[in-house]
Amino acid sequence: SAVISQKPSRDICQRGTSLTIQCQVDSQVTMMFWYRQQPGQSLTLIATANQGSEATYESGFVIDKFPISRPNLTFSTLTVSNMSPEDSSIYLCSVGRSRETQYFGPGTRLLVL
Amino acid sequence: SQQGEEDPQALSIQEGENATMNCSYKTSINNLQWYRQNSGRGLVHLILIRSNEREKHSGRLRVTLDTSKKSSSLLITASRAADTASYFCATDDRGGSNYKLTFGKGTLLTVNP
Repeated sequence: SAVISQKPSRDICQRGTSLTIQCQVDSQVTMMFWYRQQPGQSLTLIATANQGSEATYESGFVIDKFPISRPNLTFSTLTVSNMSPEDSSIYLCSVGRSRETQYFGPGTRLLVL
Repeated sequence: SQQGEEDPQALSIQEGENATMNCSYKTSINNLQWYRQNSGRGLVHLILIRSNEREKHSGRLRVTLDTSKKSSSLLITASRAADTASYFCATDDRGGSNYKLTFGKGTLLTVNP
């Protein structure tokens, strides 16, 4: 397993601003992922954070809106840029070592006013 | 896009009863996993069943997989109030990129004391 922490746990932000969410893992992992969970909905994969190269974004998500960094094998950040109320969601990072189980962080609850 | 579709969307039972949740998917898979989420927090991995397996047990959990029908079921026996949570199935699609999971919409289970 892996122990994953996220910062901040929650935040309330004004529209037009940006928020950077941090994800820290207690051990080196190959793959890190960022998901969005809109209110009452399931999880949608935003992107795969690749160490040493640009993130791989899913359809409907772009780097300008959700820039991602992955400076090493234990840390990643997701920035939600130029926020609008539609960005109010829970943002979760997850990690995977094999083509099986992913382990999830506790999530960041974001409310945009 | 969401592959898994859970059924029912919401389920309310009494403590001690069994709870059954179903998941259907559309493409060929390597494995199917079930996760639990308590009150909008991070996801907890419950159980994984591979495409060549038909049934798997873990404690009070029993998962079945029918690849011909592209469906899976999660049975929680002797439910407890602490089982109250949302349950999601997730598929690792055969032929898809490594590690990518596609989540269903989830079943909200309420276990009444």
